[in-house]
Amino acid sequence: NAGVTQTPKFQVLKTGQSMTLQCAQDMNHEYMSWYRQDPGMGLRLIHYSVGAGITDQGEVPNGYNVSRSTTEDFPLRLLSAAPSQTSVYFCASSPPGSRGETQYFGPGTRLLVL
Amino acid sequence: GNSVTQMEGPVTLSEEAFLTINCTYTATGYPSLFWYVQYPGEGLQLLLKATKADDKGSNKGFEATYRKETTSFHLEKGSVQVSDSAVYFCALSENNFNKFYFGSGTKLNVKP
Repeated sequence: NAGVTQTPKFQVLKTGQSMTLQCAQDMNHEYMSWYRQDPGMGLRLIHYSVGAGITDQGEVPNGYNVSRSTTEDFPLRLLSAAPSQTSVYFCASSPPGSRGETQYFGPGTRLLVL
Repeated sequence: GNSVTQMEGPVTLSEEAFLTINCTYTATGYPSLFWYVQYPGEGLQLLLKATKADDKGSNKGFEATYRKETTSFHLEKGSVQVSDSAVYFCALSENNFNKFYFGSGTKLNVKP
């Protein structure tokens, strides 16, 4: 099992550019999510999905889009990058369950928007 | 709403010292509680968890007890090692769909 994988590891964008952060998991987990990590603010939920074809907004969704066409993949799209989106992005997945299921995190993507 | 508050860091200790990192939470229901650890340059890893009041989670010498009456889940370790240096995150999840809320993280530095 590769677990949760994220690409790229590091990316530099100019303001207004678009890009897609990739996330994949091979554990057949139904639940997947995207977080951003900023200094002093912990992790904040951007979007999440409870299964293929189902997505919902988290705490800080503005400026980001997601889709979930397969169980394995959950890409995060930045349509028009802004300096405020400079952050470290983590993807996570967890198995189906109603209580206390562990989230498994990818290694992160560091994004710098100039 | 749901939220998690952690003590601010960094926390600097000498090897073999006792560690406590405070965590309190606000929740609308009966959440599950977690401690995650992040080593430099890596993603978060589950350290321990507790799913109901009075449960004690433990792993690698770390412990935390789910205290509903004080809405707390403090992390403790009796004797820290240099290898414990990392950032520790307290988190809670709602009962449904594992929606997580994280604290801001506490950086621990352990000196030999």
